[in-house]
Amino acid sequence: QSALTQPASVSGSPGQSITISCTGTSSDVGGYNYVSWYQQHPGKAPKLMIYDVSNRPSGVSNRFSGSKSGNTASLTISGLQAEDEADYYCSSYTSTSTWVFGGGTKLTVL
Amino acid sequence: QVQLMESGGGVVQPGRSLRLSCAASGFSFSRNGMHWVRQAPGKGLEWVALIWSDGSNKYYVDSVKGRFTISRDNSKNTLYLQMNSLRADDTAVYYCATGGERDGPRDYWGQGTLVTVSS
Repeated sequence: QSALTQPASVSGSPGQSITISCTGTSSDVGGYNYVSWYQQHPGKAPKLMIYDVSNRPSGVSNRFSGSKSGNTASLTISGLQAEDEADYYCSSYTSTSTWVFGGGTKLTVL
Repeated sequence: QVQLMESGGGVVQPGRSLRLSCAASGFSFSRNGMHWVRQAPGKGLEWVALIWSDGSNKYYVDSVKGRFTISRDNSKNTLYLQMNSLRADDTAVYYCATGGERDGPRDYWGQGTLVTVSS
């Protein structure tokens, strides 16, 4: 149950696009289409942004999109806005019927 | 509206026990799997445990197996996490969240309850 690997930080200017990667193994990210992404602002509970690799819950902006290739999933945020500045976490279902999170990525909007 | 409210956190000595509760309202609790997720101060999220909607199956992260027990009372719309043999590295904010086995922690999360393990 090793944590998924995410970059510690990414940054971008308003209006730009950024991509956050999430690398696992064939026992988690690569083995299932059950990858989720969460946004967390300081002091707040996480908020689901993407589920099942690329699906957006109702109410989440279409500026957020997800994809997967092999053992790596990605979250792309287009048209960056100041309010997107937050921590982002990926998570994946695993072969032992458990879930594992990534270490988190701090997004800074310059 | 959907509400999940955790309670039971506090300061506890190493080796002691604590039981967290998560009171649910505004949705069909008995038809939803439930997760516990924790976050140590200044650290990332860690998935802790999952229980099926009917309580028939439970899964845990390796670090809490044998020490923590997830359970639920569907008649009371309440989820529990019994934490025994607590260690300093169990110090965290504990969140409950809705979601089935292959959903993962999904649409609704509580506000979290802080557990501090310290002598």
